[in-house]
This record gives sequence, structure tokens and C-alpha cells, in this order.
Amino acid sequence: AQTVTQSQPEMSVQEAETVTLSCTYDTSESNYYLFWYKQPPSRQMILVIRQEAYKQQNATENRFSVNFQKAAKSFSLKISDSQLGDTAMYFCAFMKHRGDDKIIFGKGTRLHILP
Amino acid sequence: GAGVSQTPSNKVTEKGKYVELRCDPISGHTALYWYRQSLGQGPEFLIYFQGTGAADDSGLPNDRFFAVRPEGSVSTLKIQRTERGDSAVYLCASSLNGFPNEKLFFGSGTQLSVL
Repeated sequence: AQTVTQSQPEMSVQEAETVTLSCTYDTSESNYYLFWYKQPPSRQMILVIRQEAYKQQNATENRFSVNFQKAAKSFSLKISDSQLGDTAMYFCAFMKHRGDDKIIFGKGTRLHILP
Repeated sequence: GAGVSQTPSNKVTEKGKYVELRCDPISGHTALYWYRQSLGQGPEFLIYFQGTGAADDSGLPNDRFFAVRPEGSVSTLKIQRTERGDSAVYLCASSLNGFPNEKLFFGSGTQLSVL
């Protein structure tokens, strides 16, 4: 069975600083997808970034980038030039490449961006 | 519609009552998912529909939970004999075809409180 672990329940950072959220996962699959989702107080889960395990290059989306270490089963999210609107819960998530249709989520990290 | 719509936004019920939660996916999306998010946890998979049929209902916790999607668009999650442990946010999501590389669009959820 797949598991996703986020070891930081809560973090705070000053606006404009860089912050890194940690995530580790466990799987016996060789190919899979990893995600970071943002959940603001509106409760709507919003996809921040996605990484396909067979791609060695780390995914980037504007101020968001990941550090994907497949051998270590680590998938951290870096937010650069953090903004007040980045305040939210962030969930790391895993999905098999095929043969399954469910996303496995971690417990989340609550991120506060301070003015 | 423009996004995934869930109604009601909040539902308060008494232990033992029956409730229905509704999800309107994005028009044209064939894949529809239900997740349950308990307080302080990440979302947990309940059921996945491809068209009108439940392709995977392995996440439904017991036979009190049932979901339908009779016309391949709107879905209803039905909970019989509600228990206090059923209190959670119920999230619905949809994607175009259900392929793993497709983006998943989430609604804002229904907060169910069982007193």
C-alpha cells in the first residue's frame, strides 16, 4: 500500500521569503504521479504542481518548484517570493501511473505567510 | 458549469438520519470522484464513477454509504443512519476522461455535521 507523510504540521514564513514543505512517500511502484495541492479556507483543492516519476527533471510552475528525489522517495515543494495569498493547507499526494484511480493524500501542512 | 458545484455547502443532521449530498461536475467530464476529509486529515478516496457506473467503490467505509450517477453527470452521495463519526467535509472532483495525467477539478465540498 502507498503512504504519504508530511512531517511539518504547520509552518510560518515572512512575505517574500522562500519556504520549503517536505513530503516523503512509500511505494513499490516504479512509475507514478506526485502532486502538491493547495486548500485555502474555501475548502476547494487546487492543483499547484505535478511530477511524473519517470521524468527526472523537477517540475516548476512560476514561483513553485519541486525537489523530486526518487531513490529517497522524497518530494518537497519550494515556494519562492511567498505571497499572502499562499496562506493555505498544502497536501502532498500520490497516484499510481496505471491500474488505480485514487489519489493518496498526506495529512497536510498548514502554511502561514506573515505580512 | 464553470466549475464543480456541491450542495449543500453545509449540512447539520442528527444521529440516525439519512442525508444526501449532491455534486454537479464540470459539463462533459466523464470521471467523477468522491473524497472524505476528516478534521486534520487529508482527503480519503470513497468512490470513482466513469460515466454512469461506479468503476471503483473500494473506499466506501460500509454499507451505509451509497452513491449514484444515473445520467452520467450529477452524482449523489447517500448516507443512511448517520453516525457522529461521519462528520467530515465531503469533496467531489471531476476530470475529462479519468486518465491519470488529467487535471482533477475539485468542488468546495459539503461540511457534514452529525449531532
